[in-house]
This record gives sequence, structure tokens and C-alpha cells, in this order.
Amino acid sequence: GAGVSQTPSNKVTEKGKYVELRCDPISGHTALYWYRQSLGQGPEFLIYFQGTGAADDSGLPNDRFFAVRPEGSVSTLKIQRTERGDSAVYLCASSPKLGGELFFGEGSRLTVL
Amino acid sequence: EDKVVQSPLSLVVHEGDTVTLNCSYEVTNFRSLLWYKQEKKAPTFLFMLTSSGIEKKSGRLSSILDKKELFSILNITATQTGDSAIYLCAVDQAGTALIFGKGTTLSVSS
Repeated sequence: GAGVSQTPSNKVTEKGKYVELRCDPISGHTALYWYRQSLGQGPEFLIYFQGTGAADDSGLPNDRFFAVRPEGSVSTLKIQRTERGDSAVYLCASSPKLGGELFFGEGSRLTVL
Repeated sequence: EDKVVQSPLSLVVHEGDTVTLNCSYEVTNFRSLLWYKQEKKAPTFLFMLTSSGIEKKSGRLSSILDKKELFSILNITATQTGDSAIYLCAVDQAGTALIFGKGTTLSVSS
């Protein structure tokens, strides 16, 4: 596709469950970023990849959160033992190289009941 | 701690008004400042500013950066209802991801 694609667009789950959110970046973009946006807040950085490796995961809130990008393209954000406080929109973005303009997907809205 | 602060957090104006949105920052290794517009879901890119005093303009929107005083403004003239959105300011630091402010929610009434 032409843009960044994220699935699912909406996910409702119960507290304690495991969730995976997928991001398919723009073809050829080597940098991929995950952000989390809560209501009334700006996007909060979680992790970014340069190629297959996580270049900076300092924004991951705790060890329940993990992300992979095994082939340097599609990325999956994984959340274990979800908590109500994890409810937010998870935004993925990509760019041709680190820095500069990011191209965002539509986000995955996660609701933890 | 690196931070990006936007003001006001929300603003309500009438169609035709001119608005100024503010963004101040304190970061190490500043490289550029970016403005995004977020209407429903995906933020869309407006401007990237790297040099002080050079205005970037696109239609009714314009922006300028002051690297000495560490701030930027985004101006919107002759506002329209379609300008209603959250406007996000972000700073690009060398070697890491963008840091965003909380955004300014602009509501334009007809």
C-alpha cells in the first residue's frame, strides 16, 4: 500500500490478556517507530527500529511491552498481561531514515476492560 | 529532562479569525522542529523547521523558529471549520525519535 498500515484498527480485550498490534510501514522505509497516545496527550515514544534491530527501546513502560521487526519491514508490538492503563491509541510511523518527517498510520485503538 | 511544551492546550475561535499556536522546547542535540495536524487518527505533516528566522508558508498556514529563545509559532489566518484539529509540535534530536508536545486542540466555529 501507499501508506503505513496498522491492524487491527480497534481491539477490545480483558485485563490480563495478551495482545499483538501489527504495523506495515511504507515500502523502503528503514526506520519504524511506535508511539502511544492517550486522550488529551501528545504521542508518547515507545520504541524505534533501524532495520531489524531496536535502536532505542527506552520508552517501553515496563517488561510487559515488547516489539519485534524480524525482517526489517513489518513490526509487531506485543503486550502481555494487559492492564486498564494500557488503553490508548498505538501509533506506528515510518521514515526513509532516522530523523526528519515521520509518516504515521491510522493507529490501533486498544481498550482494556 | 527533554521536553516540548505547547500552549494554549485548547482554543475556540470563530471562522475568519487568526490564531497563533506556541511551542517551546528544552532538548539536547536539537536538529529540527516539526508541526503536525491530527484530525481524527493519523497525524499529518505540516512543516519542518531547522533554521531560525526563516518562515515556512503553506496557504493560510505559516511557521517560524527561534533557536535562540527555543520556541516556534504556527499561525493560521482566516480560519475555517476544516482547520479544527489537534496541532502537534515535535522536536527531532540527533540519534533518537521525535519528542512530541501535548498538542493544542483548535475548534473553529461557523
